[in-house]
Amino acid sequence: AQSVTQLDSHVSVSEGTPVLLRCNYSSSYSPSLFWYVQHPNKGLQLLLKYTSAATLVKGINGFEAEFKKSETSFHLTKPSAHMSDAAEYFCVVRRSNTGNQFYFGTGTSLTVIP
Amino acid sequence: KAGVTQTPRYLIKTRGQQVTLSCSPISGHRSVSWYQQTPGQGLQFLFEYFSETQRNKGNFPGRFSGRQFSNSRSEMNVSTLELGDSALYLCASSWGTSQETQYFGPGTRLLVL
Repeated sequence: AQSVTQLDSHVSVSEGTPVLLRCNYSSSYSPSLFWYVQHPNKGLQLLLKYTSAATLVKGINGFEAEFKKSETSFHLTKPSAHMSDAAEYFCVVRRSNTGNQFYFGTGTSLTVIP
Repeated sequence: KAGVTQTPRYLIKTRGQQVTLSCSPISGHRSVSWYQQTPGQGLQFLFEYFSETQRNKGNFPGRFSGRQFSNSRSEMNVSTLELGDSALYLCASSWGTSQETQYFGPGTRLLVL
């Protein structure tokens, strides 16, 4: 079965410093992995996705993630945090090879300190 | 292109009542999935519909049901509401093939009193 573990429930960074949100996955086959962001009282927005093409995936708003099979990780990074990045971030794995059942991590709340 | 729309956006019900939530997917999308988001349980998958058929189902009691119409619009029904059903219900749509992105609507916030 597929699952994801987000290693930090809260992360605080200063504006202009790098962001690292950690995610480990468990999958019995090559997974489809996603990062979504949720701003307060808003729906979920796709940041980026990995579907077995390039291991370094670039997303919107300067975010990127690297798929590391040897470490079963899919960490999200951004070189320089902006105040508008403050939100809840979810690492997501597609649950099965058929259909669209997503398994969500527990989320990481990112705080950006001015 | 219009995004996923959900109606109503907010709803207040009392225990024992039933509720129906609606989701209109992005034009052309044939897959609609429903998720429940609560502070305690996080985001949990309810079910997915594709071409009017339920394709996947999560671990929720039978009080939670859904359906999809020929135009891909979907409804979710919860009968005999319980306090614990208070949550944000999110709908997501996609084309329905594998390795796809799901696009989420803004959600319906349900409060059960």
